[in-house]
Amino acid sequence: EAGVAQSPRYKIIEKRQSVAFWCNPISGHATLYWYQQILGQGPKLLIQFQNNGVVDDSQLPKDRFSAERLKGVDSTLKIQPAKLEDSAVYLCASSPPTSYPRRQGEHTGELFFGEGSRLTVL
Amino acid sequence: DQQVKQNSPSLSVQEGRISILNCDYTNSMFDYFLWYKKYPAEGPTFLISISSIKDKNEDGRFTVFLNKSAKHLSLHIVPSQPGDSAVYFCAATANSGYALNFGKGTSLLVTP
Repeated sequence: EAGVAQSPRYKIIEKRQSVAFWCNPISGHATLYWYQQILGQGPKLLIQFQNNGVVDDSQLPKDRFSAERLKGVDSTLKIQPAKLEDSAVYLCASSPPTSYPRRQGEHTGELFFGEGSRLTVL
Repeated sequence: DQQVKQNSPSLSVQEGRISILNCDYTNSMFDYFLWYKKYPAEGPTFLISISSIKDKNEDGRFTVFLNKSAKHLSLHIVPSQPGDSAVYFCAATANSGYALNFGKGTSLLVTP
């Protein structure tokens, strides 16, 4: 089974430039997540999609970040304009929840992560 | 604010000994907890999980213990092997959601 695919693996840009990251989840996975992991920190959720609808984007800096998941499969995360503090690894994950919302204490099903896209903003 | 806390940034253990990684949480609505393992330049991979209706879950060399009253969980690795050297993230999820809240991670080094 193919895993979560992400590209590019590495990107270096100057501040105020724009960048886009692409993610292809595991086939059949309805839920897709974008996480930001700054060096020395744990991954932080940016946005969660269920099929092509947004479930949670409360921590997405909407003045500069945008994400879409057209047709409920691939997703793109864009940053425009980039700031120095956006330097991080951007992780895409997918999961196959069988019911939504889930019941209290129910097994959530693990999230499957891609290898990440490392962004350096100079 | 950090709702999942891993207060030990690093841990060094000798091969064959027990590794104990700790995690505390503040959100009483968390009802499912997971541990992820991460090697450099790779994405996190799922290791083991536990529901709030249990206090222990075991999978081979890995056991997770949950103490709800203390809002604390721990991951035990017995015996530790050099291949276990990685960053371990504690994660939790609340209510009806599936998105995970992660701690900062603990870097485990298992020495021969």
